[in-house]
Amino acid sequence: DGGITQSPKYLFRKEGQNVTLSCEQNLNHDAMYWYRQDPGQGLRLIYYSQIVNDFQKGDIAEGYSVSREKKESFPLTVTSAQKNPTAFYLCASNRSKQRGEAFFGQGTRLTVV
Amino acid sequence: DQQVKQNSPSLSVQEGRISILNCDYTNSMFDYFLWYKKYPAEGPTFLISISSIKDKNEDGRFTVFLNKSAKHLSLHIVPSQPGDSAVYFCAASQVGSARQLTFGSGTQLTVLP
Repeated sequence: DGGITQSPKYLFRKEGQNVTLSCEQNLNHDAMYWYRQDPGQGLRLIYYSQIVNDFQKGDIAEGYSVSREKKESFPLTVTSAQKNPTAFYLCASNRSKQRGEAFFGQGTRLTVV
Repeated sequence: DQQVKQNSPSLSVQEGRISILNCDYTNSMFDYFLWYKKYPAEGPTFLISISSIKDKNEDGRFTVFLNKSAKHLSLHIVPSQPGDSAVYFCAASQVGSARQLTFGSGTQLTVLP
């Protein structure tokens, strides 16, 4: 089945630690995105990538980093510089620069303990 | 500055009646609009979309209306069913971009049996 897989579903991190969230897609989409959702708020864009080895900052990129070494994979690292990392993180993909729906993964709930 | 706004955090409707969810936007460069449905701790699922060159798009029980002059769109669900209870997000993307989505804050729809 084609789709987007995020792992893990739940993640706990100690303050001061970096943590990496995985996102893999087999839809052959060029573009991939990371969003963050906080309670009562919409999804906010962290980073996006239109092509391998290239990515751009979204609206709330501070404290996050990404890489795009393969078309299928777009991991997100939440660094210790992110002041409020506890949130629900969603990865998405679509055909770059074309109208059409973005497909989302099931999300990763990150909690800082 | 919120470019996509959903001013009603919640809406309750009786089963079988019409649900109307509203969304306003400020960015005149948006040319594609989407509605997503989301359950807690899951990724959003695509419902329906509309291009800015149209004013209506219908898919089964779901119809989206776009009023460009008012920068307003709405999602109509007829008839509403208890399984429609979820958070609904309005989203938009703009021409010339990587088609990253800008989301509203969501409306919690509750369909009462």
